Amino acid sequence: DAGVIQSPRHEVTEMGQEVTLRCKPISGHNSLFWYRQTMMRGLELLIYFNNNVPIDDSGMPEDRFSAKMPNASFSTLKIQPSEPRDSAVYFCASSLDRPEAFFGQGTRLTVV
Amino acid sequence: RKEVEQDPGPFNVPEGATVAFNCTYSNSASQSFFWYRQDCRKEPKLLMSVYSSGNEDGRFTAQLNRASQYISLLIRDSKLSDSATYLCVVNYRGSQGNLIFGKGTKLSVKP
Repeated sequence: DAGVIQSPRHEVTEMGQEVTLRCKPISGHNSLFWYRQTMMRGLELLIYFNNNVPIDDSGMPEDRFSAKMPNASFSTLKIQPSEPRDSAVYFCASSLDRPEAFFGQGTRLTVV
Repeated sequence: RKEVEQDPGPFNVPEGATVAFNCTYSNSASQSFFWYRQDCRKEPKLLMSVYSSGNEDGRFTAQLNRASQYISLLIRDSKLSDSATYLCVVNYRGSQGNLIFGKGTKLSVKP
C-alpha cells in the first residue's frame, strides 16, 4: 500500500525565494495535516483539512505560509518569501475518521 | 505550560532492561491518547493507542490516568531496535484529528 507521499524530500533554497511542498495523502483518507518539526519546538500542527476544507489554520506562523487542498489526493504548503527560521522538517499526515494519523517521510527544508 | 510534557531524556539502558516513560497533559478535555515512535531522521509512526483500562502489546504496556492527566509507557526486555524517540500524543477534537505532540523522550538501548 502506498503511504503518504511527500515531495521533495530535501529542499535547499535562498532566503526570499518561494518554496512549495507537496503531499499526496493515503487514498480514501479524509483528513490531512501539515506539521513542522524543529529541535526547539518539536512537532507543531500548522493546518489541517477535513474533506478538502481547512478546519484549523491557527498554527500557521504568519501570512508567508499558505496551504491548499484542491482535491482529495493533493495538498500544497507554500512559503513566500522564505526565511532562515523556516528551516525545519515539514511532515504531511492523513487519517480516515480516526484520531491517529499516518505520516509521510517529510521534507527537510533548509533556507540559507 | 505546554499542552503535553515529557522528560526529554535521553534514557540510556542496557539490553533486557525495563524502562518507563511518563507524560502529562494539560487539557482535561483530551479524549484520545497515543504513543508514537520516531526513529532518527524518519517520520513518526503510531506505536499504540492508550486506553483508560490500560493496554498491552507484546513487551509494551500503556497506562492512562485521567484524574492525574498522566500517561505512561513501559517497555520490558528492551531490544537494541527499541532505540528511538517516543512521542506522547493527545487529541481533544474527536475524529477530526488535531493531534498534540509532546517533544518526545529519547531512548538508547545499549548492548
